[in-house]
Amino acid sequence: QSVLTQPPSVSGAPGQRVTISCTGSRSNIGAGYDVHWYQQLPGKAPELLIYENKNRPSGVPDRFSGSTSGTSASLAITGLQAEDEADYYCQSYDTSLSVIFGGGTKLTVL
Amino acid sequence: QVQLQESGPGLVKPSETLSLTCTVSGGTISGQYWNWIRRPPGKGLEWIGDVYDTGTTNYNPSLKSRVTISMDTSKSQFSLNLRSVTAADTAVYYCARAYRTTWSWYFDDWGQGTLVTVSS
Repeated sequence: QSVLTQPPSVSGAPGQRVTISCTGSRSNIGAGYDVHWYQQLPGKAPELLIYENKNRPSGVPDRFSGSTSGTSASLAITGLQAEDEADYYCQSYDTSLSVIFGGGTKLTVL
Repeated sequence: QVQLQESGPGLVKPSETLSLTCTVSGGTISGQYWNWIRRPPGKGLEWIGDVYDTGTTNYNPSLKSRVTISMDTSKSQFSLNLRSVTAADTAVYYCARAYRTTWSWYFDDWGQGTLVTVSS
């Protein structure tokens, strides 16, 4: 069981907005450690999507946005496109001295 | 942006040692943090550990007793050794570069991944 909790799956129709939650605790997100998000397309390596809670690397569309509040974080995707269908992971650091990942969320574009 | 490429056996017998190497190109290996991450079939990502060019390492506490990560700066390579493997160690193994600060640790470049199966 992952230290960061994500819903196993979310879905949405093209053009819609979806959000993926990432729930942590006082020993990770709540302690002030940044949250980062990755997109993993089928058969590919993960790619950095959001870093330091809300920042997008060069080349990532502004349809993707991140936020944090307390011990949780969220990834929002607006204007959903078929190419967004992938697995999404949140990641942070824990005071147990370890990098931690969420269990991953499979996004299905209907 | 650097390029990373994993290499090593795709099949390892139970109780033996899994050994992988990651070759870094298109940039310097010095002054950066180099990591191993894995994804077991049907499961999520798991951080294994990292190494810095001073030889300093950090490991996932759940794997620490079985893991060694080392670096050869002359070859622009870093390596993973995972001892006493079982079927639970079957996974796609990724090498990745990390950006680290006091409050932030994230992976901005990844290798393509290599599947390692533990089976007799």
